Amino acid sequence: GDSVTQMEGPVTLSEEAFLTINCTYTATGYPSLFWYVQYPGEGLQLLLKATKADDKGSNKGFEATYRKETTSFHLEKGSVQVSDSAVYFCALIGSNFGNEKLTFGTGTRLTIIP
Amino acid sequence: GAVVSQHPSRVICKSGTSVKIECRSLDFQATTMFWYRQFPKQSLMLMATSNEGSKATYEQGVEKDKFLINHASLTLSTLTVTSAHPEDSSFYICSARDPSGGAYEQYFGPGTRLTVT
Repeated sequence: GDSVTQMEGPVTLSEEAFLTINCTYTATGYPSLFWYVQYPGEGLQLLLKATKADDKGSNKGFEATYRKETTSFHLEKGSVQVSDSAVYFCALIGSNFGNEKLTFGTGTRLTIIP
Repeated sequence: GAVVSQHPSRVICKSGTSVKIECRSLDFQATTMFWYRQFPKQSLMLMATSNEGSKATYEQGVEKDKFLINHASLTLSTLTVTSAHPEDSSFYICSARDPSGGAYEQYFGPGTRLTVT
């Protein structure tokens, strides 16, 4: 079945540091890929997505590129801020017709220190 | 953006009692809602898919008689944990799909922390 593997946390960085959170997946065909973020005390929010190979999703300074050859969707940000502290989840929806089920990675807790 | 609420945010109950968790879409009508369970330091596990006006579809290994799901209206789905036991203690999260948006857009509630003593 489909699965998502992401970098285990927690990750602690200083403000303005470069961020990478690795995510790889296993799925048949061409799944859609997502990054969700969960801020303290809040629900999950969609951060960015990519629905086909070589697509780059971007939002709030975060980027991730759908790499079919390496089955990866790594999250990056050039300069993190304290407000980026949250838990980040990589997820996919399989390419089967009518499939709406999200498969999540375990989440990576990110803490940014001023 | 679309907002999904959950109630209660936290609940503590005694073993053997039943607990109902509500999931509401506040500014859109959700034909499909999803219920997830999250264990500490683990990913969200889909428990069931709830469609308005029909029976929920449960994932393999999830006891349908234990976790009763009702999606009686386009804005409300409920999860009832029946005869709860300590092993049911977990973080339960719902999400709702807005049919007017993209096919993959799911909006998540803030979650409900259930503790069974």
